[in-house]
Amino acid sequence: ERELVESGGDFVQAGGSLRLSCAASGFSLGPFWMSWVRQAPGKGLEWVANIKQDGSENYSVDSVKGRFTISRDNAKNLLFLQMTSLRVEDTGAYFCATEDSSSWYHYFGLWGRGTLVTVSS
Amino acid sequence: SSELTQDPTVSVALGQTVTITCHGDLLRSYFASWYQQKPGQAPVLLIYANNRPAGIPDRFSGSHSGTTSSLTITGAQAEDEADYYCNSRDIGGKLLLFGGGTKLTVL
Repeated sequence: ERELVESGGDFVQAGGSLRLSCAASGFSLGPFWMSWVRQAPGKGLEWVANIKQDGSENYSVDSVKGRFTISRDNAKNLLFLQMTSLRVEDTGAYFCATEDSSSWYHYFGLWGRGTLVTVSS
Repeated sequence: SSELTQDPTVSVALGQTVTITCHGDLLRSYFASWYQQKPGQAPVLLIYANNRPAGIPDRFSGSHSGTTSSLTITGAQAEDEADYYCNSRDIGGKLLLFGGGTKLTVL
């Protein structure tokens, strides 16, 4: 069975850092663009960042630029999100997800269960 | 603009049909995908490019016209009570967006 499992979420003070990991099992991450999506408590989904299959391109939402770095290790079937200068508003569940797309559609095909990040002031 | 707009709440009587919509100028270029999320769970892909992934009940269907993508549930079940989100690329094609979500209540 194909599965994504996130880890690394924790309770951290504002200004601190965390590294999230996403491990794939049952399939290879290699062929997929990969994304991190987050959800603040009681709020909607927010796309955070994504990375191309070979790691040569990545994009992120403006609110995390310069603070969060997405990376991947295809040999180990892992996706990462290095989070620095954390803010209270970064609190939430962080999901990793596979992407599929064409010129006229995009979707997140497989999601992990999420890992919780709590940033206190 | 790069925004996707959804009605925050929608309700439907058990067994009836309901349509949840997603509006945005960027949908002139891209079809939206749709996700269902139940409390405490990860989102699940329901519809992409008006197609259903394997395992998604056929009461869920998608359509698209102009700047609106729609998710229709034909014969809503109690277990369909959940939050529904649309997703697409932004105007520039590089960044990704979600709509604000629609909370569906099955009466």
